Amino acid sequence: DIQMTQSPSSLSASVGDRVTVTCRASQGIRIDLGWYQQKPGKAPERLIYATSKLQSGVPTRFSGSGSGTEFTLTISSLQPEDFATYFCQQYNTFPPTFGQGTKLEIK
Amino acid sequence: QMQLEESGPGLVKPSETLSLICTVVATSVSSTRNHWGWIRQSPGKGLEWIGNIDNSGRVEYNPSLESRVTVSVEMSMRQWSLRLTSVTAADTAVYYCARQGDVAYGYKYYFDYWGQGIRVTVSS
Repeated sequence: DIQMTQSPSSLSASVGDRVTVTCRASQGIRIDLGWYQQKPGKAPERLIYATSKLQSGVPTRFSGSGSGTEFTLTISSLQPEDFATYFCQQYNTFPPTFGQGTKLEIK
Repeated sequence: QMQLEESGPGLVKPSETLSLICTVVATSVSSTRNHWGWIRQSPGKGLEWIGNIDNSGRVEYNPSLESRVTVSVEMSMRQWSLRLTSVTAADTAVYYCARQGDVAYGYKYYFDYWGQGIRVTVSS
């Protein structure tokens, strides 16, 4: 299975900050990567697919980049509703696998 | 907006079979462009894809669970189900059903709609 490793595992930041989360794949996955946001007690929600394409309704302060084995999720100016856990997921190779998550907390 | 709803028992005894159903609200599972999957989340293993089924009944399972998993579909009732046999405490998790993305665009294993999740505890 392809291992997905996220860093950091947790991050403290303030409203208005710019934050970046990194996701590394154990082997190349082209751009077949998605990002999900999960709030406590809720299911993960789709955020980004194909590395950089925002799902409908996702604010443009979210962006994604990368290819191959290294990917990033950036939030340009944190808003209160962005404090959540973020997961990356590869869908290039069977079986699909997820990163362990990055918990974004209010500083 | 698609809604998925999991249902089933929240407590299962060790060595018994976990059975869950996912019901789709406001749409159908007959699309040929999507697969219908199950994912679980536990503190120890994080998010783990379990398996999926398409509208013709073709299934795929995570090799790590394949010997114990069965996924089936009931299109007329807009439902698909998960059975996991011989459960242990390690199977305690929140179980989600999810729609998998458009096969035609290469998003077969991307999860675009999720149910709210159902917590299942394995304990005697």
